[in-house]
Amino acid sequence: EPEVTQTPSHQVTQMGQEVILRCVPISNHLYFYWYRQILGQKVEFLVSFYNNEISEKSEIFDDQFSVERPDGSNFTLKIRSTKLEDSAMYFCASSTGHEQFFGPGTRLTVL
Amino acid sequence: SQKIEQNSEALNIQEGKTATLTCNYTNYSPAYLQWYRQDPGRGPVFLLLIRENEKEKRKERLKVTFDTTLKQSLFHITASQPADSATYLCALGSLFSGGYNKLIFGAGTRLAVHP
Repeated sequence: EPEVTQTPSHQVTQMGQEVILRCVPISNHLYFYWYRQILGQKVEFLVSFYNNEISEKSEIFDDQFSVERPDGSNFTLKIRSTKLEDSAMYFCASSTGHEQFFGPGTRLTVL
Repeated sequence: SQKIEQNSEALNIQEGKTATLTCNYTNYSPAYLQWYRQDPGRGPVFLLLIRENEKEKRKERLKVTFDTTLKQSLFHITASQPADSATYLCALGSLFSGGYNKLIFGAGTRLAVHP
């Protein structure tokens, strides 16, 4: 069964460093999303992406964040200068309709 | 602001019983509501979707109801099994002209099914 994959599974970085989180959505899906989940808290929407552009972004998704679909298969989330509060699980999701398929997540730890 | 509330306490039930989880929301008119399952350290997994004009949906041992007047959804797992132990997330969605659908999640209810 097709699934969303994410790499790396765990990323440790120093505050102020740039990180890129990678996702491979399901191949025939058209809509792509990033969510994050701080430990013990709810899953929060960050950004949605369709037709090579951002459809909507939340207040969390400030100028430090960017997304890109550099080729036909990858979907990336970049955080330019990480802060301690960026530590969280980051989930990529993709869909063709309402049901969203989530990846296993990348645990980002900012020291 | 939009608010989604799920039972904050963990729900402990005996194997074979029916688990009932609640999702209430305010300041929102969702086009549909979804339920997801999340295991520790894993991504959410879609279970069921119910639209605003539907009252009830079933899938195997799962049943969801949706009352837009009460602004509430109930999620039932019948004949529960220890393997059903997980956190269950309620998510609300709206339809946008671009076709995408941002989901707003509740905090989830942790279900523990004991043998």
